[in-house]
Amino acid sequence: ETGVTQTPRHLVMGMTNKKSLKCEQHLGHNAMYWYKQSAKKPLELMFVYNFKEQTENNSVPSRFSPECPNSSHLFLHLHTLQPEDSALYLCASSQAEASGRLNTGELFFGEGSRLTVL
Amino acid sequence: AQSVAQPEDQVNVAEGNPLTVKCTYSVSGNPYLFWYVQYPNRGLQFLLKYITGDNLVKGSYGFEAEFNKSQTSFHLKKPSALVSDSALYFCAVRDRDNYGQNFVFGPGTRLSVLP
Repeated sequence: ETGVTQTPRHLVMGMTNKKSLKCEQHLGHNAMYWYKQSAKKPLELMFVYNFKEQTENNSVPSRFSPECPNSSHLFLHLHTLQPEDSALYLCASSQAEASGRLNTGELFFGEGSRLTVL
Repeated sequence: AQSVAQPEDQVNVAEGNPLTVKCTYSVSGNPYLFWYVQYPNRGLQFLLKYITGDNLVKGSYGFEAEFNKSQTSFHLKKPSALVSDSALYFCAVRDRDNYGQNFVFGPGTRLSVLP
């Protein structure tokens, strides 16, 4: 079993649908991330949660809504998306930064959810 | 602000030959540096990292990378390439003197190892 599990692996949705992506990590980490990977573009950081608190929202449109109910689970709720939102959405986790200490650990990524918006 | 450059979109190398994938970075403080590999339709897999100490870092699958502070580089190397090394490679940096800064990734370099 991989340390970070994403479901579904593939999703096709219409522009008026509502769907969610799920991420679960089994590594005991306290920081979780959503990244967007589009063809021919650099990896884009979308959201960061440290100890269940959102610490980064990288100017992401409100049609993407994250939820982090606990340190092991992260969701990305999708609503009224556009075709240009079609991409590979990657979840990652790491050890969170404790106060006064910078985390030196690497990110652990899931396999991604390939989203196609029609 | 942090940034990472991977000057080559594509690197082609013959199987058995040494390979180098280049990375240069910019941070205001001192860097933590990482290399990741991505196979088609998969997530990113961690290869190696530089935190402190020896400038030559050894990682998974026979890869290594050399931290060069004066040239602000962290090139990925392997003495003898395999066809199975063909993938997309990402360099990433964190500024360790800037508490709270997140990872910044380079645009990726596609490595093709030809049989």
